[in-house]
Amino acid sequence: DIVMTQSPDSLAVSLGERATISCKSSQSIFFTPNSKNYLAWYQQKPGQAPKLLIYWASTRASGVPDRFSGSGSGTDFTLTISSLQAEDVAVYHCQQYFTSPYNFGPGTKVDIK
Amino acid sequence: QVQLQESGPGLVKPSQTLSLTCSVSGGSISSGNYFWNWIRHRPGRGLEWIGYIHYTGTTYQNRSLKSRLNLSVDTSQNSFSLRLSSVTAADTAVYYCARIPVGDSGEYFFDSWGQGTLVTVSS
Repeated sequence: DIVMTQSPDSLAVSLGERATISCKSSQSIFFTPNSKNYLAWYQQKPGQAPKLLIYWASTRASGVPDRFSGSGSGTDFTLTISSLQAEDVAVYHCQQYFTSPYNFGPGTKVDIK
Repeated sequence: QVQLQESGPGLVKPSQTLSLTCSVSGGSISSGNYFWNWIRHRPGRGLEWIGYIHYTGTTYQNRSLKSRLNLSVDTSQNSFSLRLSSVTAADTAVYYCARIPVGDSGEYFFDSWGQGTLVTVSS
């Protein structure tokens, strides 16, 4: 099975500042024939279900603000919030869908400093 | 816009069977364009994919649960269900239903989720 790890476990960022979350997979999730990375990011606000933010490592889901961006390839990925807003307080999860089981990372909690 | 809603008992006794249903509205489960999933979030752990079912009845399950798991679909009720047998306290979790879009590139990400339901396994 592919194991997903995230760092840090939590971070606190001032409003308007950048937040960066790392996600690593235990093996490459890049599929050479279509040049795609099989990675998604989700945002889970307190008391709510997870919401799809990004798929194919860097494609924003419909309606997601452009302050959210995803990058990386192979085994190392990053979610960046370019200018943190109060409504971005949440836990962020990465997920690989390269192969079953479709494992998630442990999550990173983002708070306001 | 599709909505998913989980329902079922919030308390299950050890060794019994956990049963949940996900009702889908705003779209037909029989459209064929989606796989219908169960995911759980156990305390202190990451999200865990349980398995999916297609409206045709095709299923695919996390092998860690496969021996205890039964997934079914009811197209007349536009819903799908999970049954997990021989539960223990380790099965205590928030259970979510979610949708995967069927595509050509293996895009097994979850684009819509239910609100989740807490199931506690305790005597």
